[in-house]
Amino acid sequence: QKEVEQNSGPLSVPEGAIASLNCTYSDRVSQSFFWYRQYSGKSPELIMSIYSNGDKEDGRFTAQLNKASQYVSLLIRDSQPSDSATYLCAVLRKGGGADGLTFGKGTHLIIQP
Amino acid sequence: GAGVSQTPSNKVTEKGKYVELRCDPISGHTALYWYRQSLGQGPEFLIYFQGTGAADDSGLPNDRFFAVRPEGSVSTLKIQRTERGDSAVYLCASSFDLSGTEAFFGQGTRLTVV
Repeated sequence: QKEVEQNSGPLSVPEGAIASLNCTYSDRVSQSFFWYRQYSGKSPELIMSIYSNGDKEDGRFTAQLNKASQYVSLLIRDSQPSDSATYLCAVLRKGGGADGLTFGKGTHLIIQP
Repeated sequence: GAGVSQTPSNKVTEKGKYVELRCDPISGHTALYWYRQSLGQGPEFLIYFQGTGAADDSGLPNDRFFAVRPEGSVSTLKIQRTERGDSAVYLCASSFDLSGTEAFFGQGTRLTVV
């Protein structure tokens, strides 16, 4: 059984600061990693994917992956109130495998104006 | 359609009734996932399909739950003898395949069992 762990928060960050969201996973065979943003009452929205060790940047978002430590993170620079949401980490084995795409419980992020 | 479509968006049913929830994936996507999400929790895996076959149905909570995807496109999640504990948002997602390509969600079906 794969496990994906996230701190549920809430994580409170002042506007304009960097928000750092962390995720650990138990299945070493996991090969693909995703961050989803979910606003209250809405479905998850994909914001980042990362497949290899290192950093991947997209606008204000940077995903970081360290497979040796089984750790993936998401940095949000210049945080805005509209970034306030729950951020879900998800992992996938190549070819699916047991459970397919597995999610953590999410971190509730609050950006304080 | 351009995105994953789920119908109905809301369903209220009486305890003991049968319900069907439909998911129409993004055209060309061979992998399809069903999840259940309760308030304050992450999506809970139920089942996923690669093509027409259920690749893993280990997340289905019991034999009241069943899902099909007969032609490898539209999928239906079926719940028999609904219970109040089945109340949740049921989410469907699809991806091009299972090689690691990104999965996109529909808007979900909010099921309320009264």
